[in-house]
Amino acid sequence: EAQVTQNPRYLITVTGKKLTVTCSQNMNHEYMSWYRQDPGLGLRQIYYSMNVEVTDKGDVPEGYKVSRKEKRNFPLILESPSPNQTSLYFCASSPRDRSYTFGSGTRLTVV
Amino acid sequence: DQQVKQNSPSLSVQEGRISILNCDYTNSMFDYFLWYKKYPAEGPTFLISISSIKDKNEDGRFTVFLNKSAKHLSLHIVPSQPGDSAVYFCAARVGGGADGLTFGKGTHLIIQP
Repeated sequence: EAQVTQNPRYLITVTGKKLTVTCSQNMNHEYMSWYRQDPGLGLRQIYYSMNVEVTDKGDVPEGYKVSRKEKRNFPLILESPSPNQTSLYFCASSPRDRSYTFGSGTRLTVV
Repeated sequence: DQQVKQNSPSLSVQEGRISILNCDYTNSMFDYFLWYKKYPAEGPTFLISISSIKDKNEDGRFTVFLNKSAKHLSLHIVPSQPGDSAVYFCAARVGGGADGLTFGKGTHLIIQP
C-alpha cells in the first residue's frame, strides 16, 4: 500500500531530551516536507526536501533539524525539545507536479 | 504575514444543501491550489486541486473555482453529506511543489442532519 509512515504516533518527553520522529515513504517521491499543526494556526511548514541531500527551511524551522540521506526517509530531529514544540506533526511526500500525501501524524508533548 | 487566508473558522450547513468554503491568497507567485480534508486523529487527505490557468475544476460533488484577479478560490460541495463534516484546508504552491505547500488555517465544516 502506498503510504507515508510516521513513528511514533504519540510521544511524551521531557525538556532537553533529544528525540527523532521518523518518516518513510514507499512511493519513490522526490519531495518531502514536515509540518506542525497548532490550534488556530493551521499547518505550518518546518522543513522541506527537494531530493536526497537537499533540504531547506520552511516557515518555522527554529529548534528542528532534518536529514535526507535516502530518498524514502526524512527524519525530524529535535536536539533539545522545549514545551513550545508540543504539537501535532505531519510528514508529507509528493512527486513533481502532484499533490502531497500525508502521514497519520505524531502527537508530541514536551513537559 | 499570512499568504493563504481562510477567514471562516467554522461553517454549519444542513445536509443536502450546498457548502461553500472560501480562501484568499496574497502571493501572486502561487500557481497551483489544493484543498485538503482532515478528520481528527488522521493526516490531511487530498480532495481537489486547480491550476492557475483554469477557473474551475470539478470532481463529483466537489467543485473548486478560482478567481485570479481577486486572488480568491472557493470549494463547493453539493449536496453536502454527514461524512463531509471535517476541517478543510486550502493550500497553495509555486511551480512543481518542490518547496512544499502553504496552508490556510482551516475551516471546520459541520453538516447538520
